[in-house]
Amino acid sequence: NAGVTQTPKFRVLKTGQSMTLLCAQDMNHEYMYWYRQDPGMGLRLIHYSVGEGTTAKGEVPDGYNVSRLKKQNFLLGLESAAPSQTSVYFCASSAHRGTGRNQPQHFGDGTRLSIL
Amino acid sequence: KQEVTQIPAALSVPEGENLVLNCSFTDSAIYNLQWFRQDPGKGLTSLLLIQSSQREQTSGRLNASLDKSSGRSTLYIAASQPGDSATYLCAAVNTGNQFYFGTGTSLTVIP
Repeated sequence: NAGVTQTPKFRVLKTGQSMTLLCAQDMNHEYMYWYRQDPGMGLRLIHYSVGEGTTAKGEVPDGYNVSRLKKQNFLLGLESAAPSQTSVYFCASSAHRGTGRNQPQHFGDGTRLSIL
Repeated sequence: KQEVTQIPAALSVPEGENLVLNCSFTDSAIYNLQWFRQDPGKGLTSLLLIQSSQREQTSGRLNASLDKSSGRSTLYIAASQPGDSATYLCAAVNTGNQFYFGTGTSLTVIP
């Protein structure tokens, strides 16, 4: 009963380093999302995907790249980390709207990333 | 761009009280509105989803209402319990399935 799993849970990087955050879901959901959560600013959408092989930009995409090579996985990459990217990153997934059912988002527990 | 506001930012009530959390949004062209709960150090858990054509949804002690024309939603919690202590977030969802979140209301229920 895993739901949405994010790895790693914590990470500290130095400015300029690169890394990839992994999100995996076992609910066969079509849609997947990456958010960042910062104090006083709520959750902001970075990138999202409406299906395998597709990605789209959200509200704050600069400095991030994503890939959805497999339906169950959604990767978020930081090419050259900056202190402004210190945040808590959440991945979420939801079913395709066309199913006709309610489609709430299911969230992972987050990745806490610090850039020094 | 959709802007979502939640008032108050923090709320403290004694156990047993009924309470209302408020959510307002600027663009009424939403697909649905969702309420979430976030516990410290955890992700968000979906509580209620109201389709744009609906006026309210209920789940146990929770009742959420939606007034699209005025851009407002409320979450009513009856007979609050210490276990209800958490941050509550609302999200307005557009037809492109993008979620716009408020900054949340931090609720503390005092035993």
